Amino acid sequence: GENVEQHPSTLSVQEGDSAVIKCTYSDSASNYFPWYKQELGKRPQLIIDIRSNVGEKKDQRIAVTLNKTAKHFSLHITETQPEDSAVYFCAASKGGSSASKIIFGSGTRLSIRP
Amino acid sequence: SQTIHQWPATLVQPVGSPLSLECTVEGTSNPNLYWYRQAAGRGLQLLFYSVGIGQISSEVPQNLSASRPQDRQFILSSKKLLLSDSGFYLCAWETGRSGRRTDTQYFGPGTRLTVL
Repeated sequence: GENVEQHPSTLSVQEGDSAVIKCTYSDSASNYFPWYKQELGKRPQLIIDIRSNVGEKKDQRIAVTLNKTAKHFSLHITETQPEDSAVYFCAASKGGSSASKIIFGSGTRLSIRP
Repeated sequence: SQTIHQWPATLVQPVGSPLSLECTVEGTSNPNLYWYRQAAGRGLQLLFYSVGIGQISSEVPQNLSASRPQDRQFILSSKKLLLSDSGFYLCAWETGRSGRRTDTQYFGPGTRLTVL
């Protein structure tokens, strides 16, 4: 089955700097890659996603890149702010006509230093 | 717009007691529904998913069971809780077969379960 590896497990960056989180997946049939942000004690919230027919997607300070050949994808956050502090999860899914079984990475705890 | 509810928000139960967690979705029909468990400081583990009433797929053999008695209701149960059942239980929904599928899942607020 699918396996998603995520690193680093913890990341501390200076406010205003950029943060990068990287993930690899094992199943070449995976075609949907969402990223979730989870604040302490809260539910995971979708922040951005990318599909396999696209190499990069941006939404303001957040961008995701996908390399299908190497089977890895990354989250980039620029101009980090204190409210970016949270745990971030990458995920991969094959999708399908009936249901999408999303496999999550183990998470990255991002801390923004003032 | 769609909303997803879970209750209770928190629960403390003794080992060996039964469990029933409920998830309901509003504003959509025929959703796919999912149960995840998140141990403290860990990732999300898929437990069950359902594509329709009475249709349950189990991902991990364990002490838990799931049921879907109505289109927008998903229940997680146990007859006898174990200490290892403690965690943050999250329900999620996505558009089902009858709609425009996007593969995107949206999570409910979760139930924090502590088994003592």
